[in-house]
Amino acid sequence: EPEVTQTPSHQVTQMGQEVILRCVPISNHLYFYWYRQILGQKVEFLVSFYNNEISEKSEIFDDQFSVERPDGSNFTLKIRSTKLEDSAMYFCASTEILGGSAYFGPGTRLLVL
Amino acid sequence: GESVGLHLPTLSVQEGDNSIINCAYSNSASDYFIWYKQESGKGPQFIIDIRSNMDKRQGQRVTVLLNKTVKHLSLQIAATQPGDSAVYFCAENLGPDNNAGNMLTFGGGTRLMVKP
Repeated sequence: EPEVTQTPSHQVTQMGQEVILRCVPISNHLYFYWYRQILGQKVEFLVSFYNNEISEKSEIFDDQFSVERPDGSNFTLKIRSTKLEDSAMYFCASTEILGGSAYFGPGTRLLVL
Repeated sequence: GESVGLHLPTLSVQEGDNSIINCAYSNSASDYFIWYKQESGKGPQFIIDIRSNMDKRQGQRVTVLLNKTVKHLSLQIAATQPGDSAVYFCAENLGPDNNAGNMLTFGGGTRLMVKP
């Protein structure tokens, strides 16, 4: 069964450093998403991406965040200058159609020290 | 803002019993609902979904019920097994005809514990 994959599984970084989280969505899916989950809290929407541009973003997704689809398979989330409160699990997801079932990757656990 | 919420944070059931996990939503414009299962250290795993034009949908050992009148969603798991132990989230989506149709809003989660 096709699945969303993410790398790395864990990332530790110093406050102020840039991180790039990588995702490979399901190959025939057209819509891509990033969500995050702070430990013990709800899964929160960050951003959705379609046709090489952001289609929606939440208040969390400020100027420190950016997304990119650098090639036909990868989808990345960049945090330019990490803060302590960026520590969370970051999940990539994809859907085949607008409003369809979102399939999530295993997540990247980001720890900012 | 409107949000999805859950009634019970923890549900403990005996192996073999049926489980019912509940979810209340407040956005009457929501068109699409999904239940996810999340095991420790893993991403949310799609279980079953339902659109607002339906009130029941069945999968393998799982049934989702939607009551739009009272804005209530439930997940029923038949013959619960130890492998069903996880946190279950409901999520809502405003549907493809809405400008926010891509964004899922998650509830807080219910932890299901299955006793052998």
